[in-house]
Amino acid sequence: GNSVTQMEGPVTLSEEAFLTINCTYTATGYPSLFWYVQYPGEGLQLLLKATKADDKGSNKGFEATYRKETTSFHLEKGSVQVSDSAVYFCALEYGNKLVFGAGTILRVKS
Amino acid sequence: DADVTQTPRNRITKTGKRIMLECSQTKGHDRMYWYRQDPGLGLQLIYYSFDVKDINKGEISDGYSVSRQAQAKFSLSLESAIPNQTALYFCATSDSGDGYTFGSGTRLTVV
Repeated sequence: GNSVTQMEGPVTLSEEAFLTINCTYTATGYPSLFWYVQYPGEGLQLLLKATKADDKGSNKGFEATYRKETTSFHLEKGSVQVSDSAVYFCALEYGNKLVFGAGTILRVKS
Repeated sequence: DADVTQTPRNRITKTGKRIMLECSQTKGHDRMYWYRQDPGLGLQLIYYSFDVKDINKGEISDGYSVSRQAQAKFSLSLESAIPNQTALYFCATSDSGDGYTFGSGTRLTVV
């Protein structure tokens, strides 16, 4: 079946540190891939997406590249800020439905 | 007004009670979804509907039912609430061109 595996958190970083959150997937065919972010007390917001192999999604300094050969979609940011503290979800779309990973809590300290 | 509105935002109910969570949208999307969020488990799909006459079970539908009253309204019911249904519930809509839009969530506590 279709599934998404994310690195466990929480991930705690100092401000301006480099961020990587690993995400791998198992899927039939070639799904679209997404990163969503959930700030405290809020719903999910789309952070970035990629719809085919080798596509790079980017937004607000975050990037992720769709790697078909490693079935991965790792999230990166070169310099995190305190305001990036949130829960990050990797997801794939299959059959017009989203399948989510477990989420990774990111805490950024000043 | 929000594109996807969920009511109530918070609810505490007793074991065995029937409860309904409501979702309405102004996006004009045909597809609507109910997800449940538990810590460490991400979001799991409860039910989804691709148009008013289409209702489908998701991966964790036991103990839940839904009603699609109109294109804009999709309600989730717990017929007899139990404590392990304590969770954060999200409604979402989608459209091929517009992607997915999530509501702000309903925090349900069953005591």
